[in-house]
Amino acid sequence: NAGVTQTPKFRILKIGQSMTLQCAQDMNHNYMYWYRQDPGMGLKLIYYSVGAGITDKGEVPNGYNVSRSTTEDFPLRLELAAPSQTSVYFCASSYLTGGRSGANVLTFGAGSRLTVL
Amino acid sequence: GQSLEQPSEVTAVEGAIVQINCTYQTSGFYGLSWYQQHDGGAPTFLSYNALDGLEETGRFSSFLSRSDSYGYLLLQELQMKDSASYFCAVRHLSSGSARQLTFGSGTQLTVLP
Repeated sequence: NAGVTQTPKFRILKIGQSMTLQCAQDMNHNYMYWYRQDPGMGLKLIYYSVGAGITDKGEVPNGYNVSRSTTEDFPLRLELAAPSQTSVYFCASSYLTGGRSGANVLTFGAGSRLTVL
Repeated sequence: GQSLEQPSEVTAVEGAIVQINCTYQTSGFYGLSWYQQHDGGAPTFLSYNALDGLEETGRFSSFLSRSDSYGYLLLQELQMKDSASYFCAVRHLSSGSARQLTFGSGTQLTVLP
């Protein structure tokens, strides 16, 4: 099984350009997430989705958009790239173990390293 | 909102035991998770505590005290391959979703020979 697949792995953008980071999972998970990780920092939630057609903002959504037309795919769109969006982006999907209070276990993709110059 | 605090760096020698602490402030708390991330890699799930007490998984154990809003990850018999960043993360209720994870800033563990 592939798990969570992200493309591209690396990208350099000029200020003002737009692009889409692709994310696909083959585990039939309903929940999917986009996080960004700045150097030496933790992960900050950008957007998440609880199922096809349903998305919601996380902690740092400004400058990004998402869509979820299928269970498998959760692309992240960057509009008008800015240097502050230079980061590593991780997509993840999750499942619950052990019932309602169980662990929400996130499976992450390998990450997409984006540089905006 | 949510906030988590953990030490930025910890250093230990091979074969030793190390404890990484995490304190948190959150509403709608469900549980505390730990993730490991090697340099250049993706975070991977290690453990989860929803109830007070100790959970053991091989050389790793995780502890939670809900009343103190505190937890820790205990790594025993340290190996060089344990050198990595370790993140605590709270599972909490937010915007109607009970499956939000907010991460701490991470603790860089260096294991010396």
